[in-house]
Amino acid sequence: KAGVTQTPRYLIKTRGQQVTLSCSPISGHRSVSWYQQTPGQGLQFLFEYFSETQRNKGNFPGRFSGRQFSNSRSEMNVSTLELGDSALYLCASSRTVDNSPLHFGNGTRLTVT
Amino acid sequence: GQSLEQPSEVTAVEGAIVQINCTYQTSGFYGLSWYQQHDGGAPTFLSYNGLDGLEETGRFSSFLSRSDSYGYLLLQELQMKDSASYFCAVRTMNSGYSTLTFGKGTMLLVSP
Repeated sequence: KAGVTQTPRYLIKTRGQQVTLSCSPISGHRSVSWYQQTPGQGLQFLFEYFSETQRNKGNFPGRFSGRQFSNSRSEMNVSTLELGDSALYLCASSRTVDNSPLHFGNGTRLTVT
Repeated sequence: GQSLEQPSEVTAVEGAIVQINCTYQTSGFYGLSWYQQHDGGAPTFLSYNGLDGLEETGRFSSFLSRSDSYGYLLLQELQMKDSASYFCAVRTMNSGYSTLTFGKGTMLLVSP
């Protein structure tokens, strides 16, 4: 079956703009989580959604937001972009929110200039 | 908050055995997972330990000691394709909320 799909694959934005990233989970997976990956910082947790409800949120400013739709697809939005937001944004899906393995997409590489 | 420590880099030769350690400080510990990420690729799940002991999956094994807040990933019969970054991740449950926190990763370089 199809894996986790993230679009777009690459994105270049300027400071102050906003951006929306999209994630389609594996069919049947109801949990979607988002991570920011930067060199030397590993994967930092942004938020987790299950059945359209945000279950948990990481330590990121309010400029970072997300949502999940009834078909489990998810979007995350970053407003008022800053240079430090340049990163690889990874989406992962899993069946539930317990110890189920995460299945990651290939990510969206965001560059802010 | 949660904190995880793992070495930033490990080098080894083909055919060798390498162990990547992970120590953590956390509350509400639920389990320890390991993920592999090749350069430019998506992280992929390798193993999960919810209870103390060793879990074996082919050439890879993972160990957990909850009392020591410590785990490791053991890679045997190393191959060139094992060159990648390896992340330990702890699953915690606090106040009904589940979080998966990743370490900063260990870059494994396998040489001929």
